[in-house]
Amino acid sequence: DIQMTQSPSSLSASVGDRVTITCQASQDINNYLNWYQQKPGKAPKVLIYDASKLETGVPSRFSGNGSGTDFAFTINSLQPEDFAYYYCQQYEHLLSLSFGGGTRVEVK
Amino acid sequence: QVQLVQSGAEVKKPGASVKVSCKATGYTFTRHYLHWVRQAPGQGLEWMGIINPSGGSTNYARKFQGRVTMTRDTATSMVYLEVSSLRPEDTAVFYCARVRQGDSGPLDYWGQGTLVTVSS
Repeated sequence: DIQMTQSPSSLSASVGDRVTITCQASQDINNYLNWYQQKPGKAPKVLIYDASKLETGVPSRFSGNGSGTDFAFTINSLQPEDFAYYYCQQYEHLLSLSFGGGTRVEVK
Repeated sequence: QVQLVQSGAEVKKPGASVKVSCKATGYTFTRHYLHWVRQAPGQGLEWMGIINPSGGSTNYARKFQGRVTMTRDTATSMVYLEVSSLRPEDTAVFYCARVRQGDSGPLDYWGQGTLVTVSS
């Protein structure tokens, strides 16, 4: 099974800050990596797919990069609505997914 | 529009089973695989398994094999998740989620979640 190590588990930031979250896969997953945002009591929402592609309707301040085993997710100019949990998810094996442990982005 | 609508909250006793449903509307049911994802209170997302609505084939996470069954009904565009031998640590919100492109890609639509509480 592919393990996803996400860091940090939480971070404190202010509106306007640039925030970066990383995700490391236990083996090569090419670019089969998605990033989700989840707010309390809600289902996750995909923001970035295939490591770097912006989901339709998602603001351009969100971005992703990486390939192989190391990936990064960035929020440029953090907005009040961005305080939430973020998860990476791999799908290198089409019938088997795994998620990172999550990152809580909270107000500093 | 695409929607996944799940059944309501359940309270079960340890050792019991629960069956959660997920009704898909707004797209061709058999063209997109569906996953089930679990989230315990205050915890992260945990993948449980996948079902192909077309043929009914499934693949379960190793952790849940033997205790989880996923089925589908093409006539009603519904998928089901049954979890047996429930334990208190199974208390969680269960989500169904659609794969955007057949069997590959991001999970682009999610159900609203079903809270299952296991308590004596």
